[in-house]
Amino acid sequence: QVQLVESGGGVVQPGGSLRLSCAASGFTFSSYGMHWVRQAPGKGLEWVAFIRYDGSNKYYADSVKGRFTISRDNSKNTLYLQMNSLRAEDTAVYYCAKDRAGTVDYWGQGTLVTVSS
Amino acid sequence: QPVLTQPPSASASLGASVTLTCTLSSGYSNYKVDWYQQRPGKGPRFVMRVGTGGIVGSKGDGIPDRFSVLGSGLNRYLTIKNIQEEDESDYHCGADHGSGSNFVYRFGGGTKLTVL
Repeated sequence: QVQLVESGGGVVQPGGSLRLSCAASGFTFSSYGMHWVRQAPGKGLEWVAFIRYDGSNKYYADSVKGRFTISRDNSKNTLYLQMNSLRAEDTAVYYCAKDRAGTVDYWGQGTLVTVSS
Repeated sequence: QPVLTQPPSASASLGASVTLTCTLSSGYSNYKVDWYQQRPGKGPRFVMRVGTGGIVGSKGDGIPDRFSVLGSGLNRYLTIKNIQEEDESDYHCGADHGSGSNFVYRFGGGTKLTVL
């Protein structure tokens, strides 16, 4: 079965950096695009970034463009999110999710990122 | 880019039916919408995709037959029949929008369903 396990969350000061990882299993990782989606405490879902199956194209929400970088290592079945210049408003649970033709069809359990001094 | 609008809350009695609505902004009546269920403290779970012709593709893993969808105009509906306690969740709708070299995925604000 599809499994997506995020790691790398934690507490970071404003202006700091953090790298999230997502270990994927149960499907052919190199054949599917992948997303990062976040959810601030008590709020709705916000799409963050998407990367195509081969890493050829990457797309970002305006709120993170220029600060976050999505990447993948298909040899390790792993998705990444490098987050720089973090702000208090980036505090959220970050979910790794699998894409299927524009639908987000599987989600991880999330990792919490807290930006606070 | 489409904007998706959901009422913040809904409620229904155990064993009854409820219909949740996701409304697309004007000009996006041909868009398909994805429904997601999020139980308290858990990650979201894909329910199914809906267009104006009804369900698109197959339901998500383990989604019971009690869940169905319809689409009409700018509205995309998720109906849950014979509501169970386990259906008490937040329900989110979402849609992808690709334009040329751009891509975004938009979510509605979510509807909190309370089972009475």
